Amino acid sequence: NAGVMQNPRHLVRRRGQEARLRCSPMKGHSHVYWYRQLPEEGLKFMVYLQKENIIDESGMPKERFSAEFPKEGPSILRIQQVVRGDSAAYFCASSPPAGNTGELFFGEGSRLTVL
Amino acid sequence: AQSVTQLDSHVSVSEGTPVLLRCNYSSSYSPSLFWYVQHPNKGLQLLLKYTSAATLVKGINGFEAEFKKSETSFHLTKPSAHMSDAAEYFCVVLNTGGFKTIFGAGTRLFVKA
Repeated sequence: NAGVMQNPRHLVRRRGQEARLRCSPMKGHSHVYWYRQLPEEGLKFMVYLQKENIIDESGMPKERFSAEFPKEGPSILRIQQVVRGDSAAYFCASSPPAGNTGELFFGEGSRLTVL
Repeated sequence: AQSVTQLDSHVSVSEGTPVLLRCNYSSSYSPSLFWYVQHPNKGLQLLLKYTSAATLVKGINGFEAEFKKSETSFHLTKPSAHMSDAAEYFCVVLNTGGFKTIFGAGTRLFVKA
């Protein structure tokens, strides 16, 4: 029973390029959450998605960041025109269809480095 | 609005001695509270959760936490630290809407031999 899968685990981009981070939730889970972790800081909520719907994106920066969770395939967090401040670990978590009982199942993260 | 405060950014203990990681929360309602652990370069793993049942919650790896409403606290304890406990620990509260988990800033636990 595979857990939450994130890829790539490490990604290096130059300023101005695009970064795409993918997350496959646990089997049977239809809720996906993205968090960002800056060095020496806790996790900051970015966005909560269900299949084909964005439920809450209150933590997403207004520009350059977008997320989707299509009917088929993984959830994708997209960062356009990356800047050095986007360097962070991005974690995806999933929960079952009953909604968030609080127990989130995390992937191992995607670490973005912007040169 | 809910919030969670972890009172120590770093805690250092010797192997075999007790562990105490402190967490205070703010919530207008009876909260759901969690502790997660993150080992270096890994994702987060649930240690234990409180969801208004017993106030003393037992988790994995010998950890437990006690919900104290009067003190708005949910401190994490372990009687005897092991080297493998060295990690970052996050106290988390679930918001009243039921879908947004709010993370504390984390406490890094160091275990000395």
